[in-house]
Amino acid sequence: SAVISQKPSRDICQRGTSLTIQCQVDSQVTMMFWYRQQPGQSLTLIATANQGSEATYESGFVIDKFPISRPNLTFSTLTVSNMSPEDSSIYLCSASPGGGYTFGSGTRLTVV
Amino acid sequence: KNQVEQSPQSLIILEGKNCTLQCNYTVSPFSNLRWYKQDTGRGPVSLTIMTFSENTKSNGRYTATLDADTKQSSLHITASQLSDSASYICVVSLYMEYGNKLVFGAGTILRVKS
Repeated sequence: SAVISQKPSRDICQRGTSLTIQCQVDSQVTMMFWYRQQPGQSLTLIATANQGSEATYESGFVIDKFPISRPNLTFSTLTVSNMSPEDSSIYLCSASPGGGYTFGSGTRLTVV
Repeated sequence: KNQVEQSPQSLIILEGKNCTLQCNYTVSPFSNLRWYKQDTGRGPVSLTIMTFSENTKSNGRYTATLDADTKQSSLHITASQLSDSASYICVVSLYMEYGNKLVFGAGTILRVKS
């Protein structure tokens, strides 16, 4: 199965600032996925990122708050913009090469 | 509504004991069901994946079962080890025309004590 490298693994940020999370897949994949996992809860899909087109956002998530880039078939970034304490969560990327969903190790974000 | 419900919410067992985690789903149309293990501060790691026609799938000390008629699955852990302490997440894949969509359970937090 694919290996996904995600960074940073954790960060503490001031409110009002932005953080960009990077994910690198060791193989080419059509779609990459970004999830949020709030404390004690399961994963919620933020958006699906296809290479060469705009990301598709789930209900409750908007591009201005979570802009996504997908410059090639192995890389994607998620930016959490204008952060507030409510954005404190674990953010995970995922890809599905060959049908099996693999996840990055996650970014634990704390907004103070 | 497509939902995945897991029970129990949390569980504490002694090292060496067996345990069974439950997953009920109402996802339709069903594509497949996966169990993931998520260690604290890490991303989920796949344990098993089962399609509609599969009743059981094993991965070492982990055995998953699926009853597609009752829409229930279980994950049985044999001879538990301290390293089994983690969150176990049941994920059902919903078949959609443009690609499957994953529906996540809230997870069962397992703690194995010595």
